[in-house]
Amino acid sequence: NAGVMQNPRHLVRRRGQEARLRCSPMKGHSHVYWYRQLPEEGLKFMVYLQKENIIDESGMPKERFSAEFPKEGPSILRIQQVVRGDSAAYFCASSLGTSGARGEQFFGPGTRLTVL
Amino acid sequence: GDSVTQMEGPVTLSEEAFLTINCTYTATGYPSLFWYVQYPGEGLQLLLKATKADDKGSNKGFEATYRKETTSFHLEKGSVQVSDSAVYFCALRRPHSNYQLIWGAGTKLIIKP
Repeated sequence: NAGVMQNPRHLVRRRGQEARLRCSPMKGHSHVYWYRQLPEEGLKFMVYLQKENIIDESGMPKERFSAEFPKEGPSILRIQQVVRGDSAAYFCASSLGTSGARGEQFFGPGTRLTVL
Repeated sequence: GDSVTQMEGPVTLSEEAFLTINCTYTATGYPSLFWYVQYPGEGLQLLLKATKADDKGSNKGFEATYRKETTSFHLEKGSVQVSDSAVYFCALRRPHSNYQLIWGAGTKLIIKP
């Protein structure tokens, strides 16, 4: 059973370009979470999605950032018009549910975004 | 607001040494507490957890005890191995949130043969 997959692992963009980060959850998982880790800081919650629905986007910047989790295919975190401050590691996690053992979050290896 | 503070790394030890990585937290109520580990090139893996005061989580020789009086959840291992080299993250989940995790900055552990 493959774990959470993220791609690309490393992404380099110039200021003003768009970045698309992909996350394929574990098989059978319908809950996806995105976290961002700035250099020298802990992970920060960005958004929680459950198939086709955004449940909680309280941690996501209001502008330039968007996330989706379509019925088919991976979850996508999209950053438009990237700036240097967007350089970070972006982690995706998935879970079966949100309570008890079903709420355990399994993490992908992360995508390291560098904005030049 | 809720927060987690970990000791800064890197922590460098010799094989078979005793390990302590400090973690303290600030939160209202009784959060659940977690330690995650990230081996080079891999995703974060849950190492152990504790959901109430005085609980002890343990796994792979690592232990941590939920201390409400000192708001701490220090990670310990009696004898580390080179294969324990990784980044260790302490995290909490708010009492009334089923999913949102609050994270420490991570502590890089380097074990030398």
